[in-house]
Amino acid sequence: DAKTTQPNSMESNEEEPVHLPCNHSTISGTDYIHWYRQLPSQGPEYVIHGLTSNVNNRMASLAIAEDRKSSTLILHRATLRDAAVYYCILRAPQLKYSGGSNYKLTFGKGTLLTVNP
Amino acid sequence: DSGVTQTPKHLITATGQRVTLRCSPRSGDLSVYWYQQSLDQGLQFLIQYYNGEERAKGNILERFSAQQFPDLHSELNLSSLELGDSALYFCASSGSAYQETQYFGPGTRLLVL
Repeated sequence: DAKTTQPNSMESNEEEPVHLPCNHSTISGTDYIHWYRQLPSQGPEYVIHGLTSNVNNRMASLAIAEDRKSSTLILHRATLRDAAVYYCILRAPQLKYSGGSNYKLTFGKGTLLTVNP
Repeated sequence: DSGVTQTPKHLITATGQRVTLRCSPRSGDLSVYWYQQSLDQGLQFLIQYYNGEERAKGNILERFSAQQFPDLHSELNLSSLELGDSALYFCASSGSAYQETQYFGPGTRLLVL
């Protein structure tokens, strides 16, 4: 699996935007970029994913660099509930569905986001 | 609530013992994944089942085994437990679609004394 690099920790203030960076210089042309987060004492939860174009959903936005060697997860207005470890994960696509044999997630250390009130 | 349930929530046992962790996937999900999270190793993939069959193996010890039953629930069996097996064990499930999101359960916290 291609490797991702994230800062160990970041800090933000409540109701301010947060930009969480991820470097993935060895990404292959078909790898998807996924973000999961893990709130304290909970299992990881899906946040967003994308391939080339920027993506938005109700939780966050994902900005992908033109060369795809980096991406940024954007939380538009951080809340205290957004304090979590954020994981940037690359996933190879399934060219042909085969029962999910390539679907495992490889987690790095992630970024611990602290949100100050 | 992800729709994935895991039991028990906490488990305390002694070295050398055997335990079984149970996972019920989201309704309709065919794939079940097991992950282990420890302080020193982080979140690591152990094994995946799809519709009753083993599909992928990660860093799973030989003392550990899993299975998925016809009703799609899964069990992770940990035997000859060692102190180092103390960790959080998460189950996740996903459907059959391409690039499907994984939904994680709340985890089982295992403490081996």
